[in-house]
Amino acid sequence: ETGVTQSPTHLIKTRGQQVTLRCSSQSGHNTVSWYQQALGQGPQFIFQYYREEENGRGNFPPRFSGLQFPNYSSELNVNALELDDSALYLCASSWVTGGVGYEQYFGPGTRLTVT
Amino acid sequence: GEDVEQSLFLSVREGDSSVINCTYTDSSSTYLYWYKQEPGAGLQLLTYIFSNMDMKQDQRLTVLLNKKDKHLSLRIADTQTGDSAIYFCAESNPSSGGSYIPTFGRGTSLIVHP
Repeated sequence: ETGVTQSPTHLIKTRGQQVTLRCSSQSGHNTVSWYQQALGQGPQFIFQYYREEENGRGNFPPRFSGLQFPNYSSELNVNALELDDSALYLCASSWVTGGVGYEQYFGPGTRLTVT
Repeated sequence: GEDVEQSLFLSVREGDSSVINCTYTDSSSTYLYWYKQEPGAGLQLLTYIFSNMDMKQDQRLTVLLNKKDKHLSLRIADTQTGDSAIYFCAESNPSSGGSYIPTFGRGTSLIVHP
């Protein structure tokens, strides 16, 4: 069984640029969630995708967007990067059936630095 | 205030028991979780408890839930240096947007010294 993987591991971008982060879900999982973890903080929920549609969103602006593909892999896109976007971005996958899916398994994260 | 609160640091001696405490505010919390994060890594789900349970034991880990006081604790028996990490408490409920999206505390940094 393959765990959750993310790429790239580290990334440095300049303010105003755009970035795409990628995630491969754990085998057999149909739902992916993205989180932002600032230094010294707990993860903050960005959004969740289930069967290729957004299934919930946290308090993040529209410049944070995502996609889920038929193979359940996912992308997080961030436009017009700001310095405060510097953080560890975590992807988590889960199996949801009947609206229930309470075990999430996290990837190692992508460390984004915006200068 | 924060929805989930934890003390930021805990220091214990190797071989002792560690107890990490957490309080939460949402009375509709259905699942309560403990995650572990080692330096430079993602979060590892350690254990979780359903809100109708008082206690759950899994090898060296014991979770206690006081639903009346909205208090959750994680006890690690015979703490080892490999247990040094940040431990996150989290809660979720069916209405938390999406499917049981957990709300995390800021994490407790556990330091185990010889």
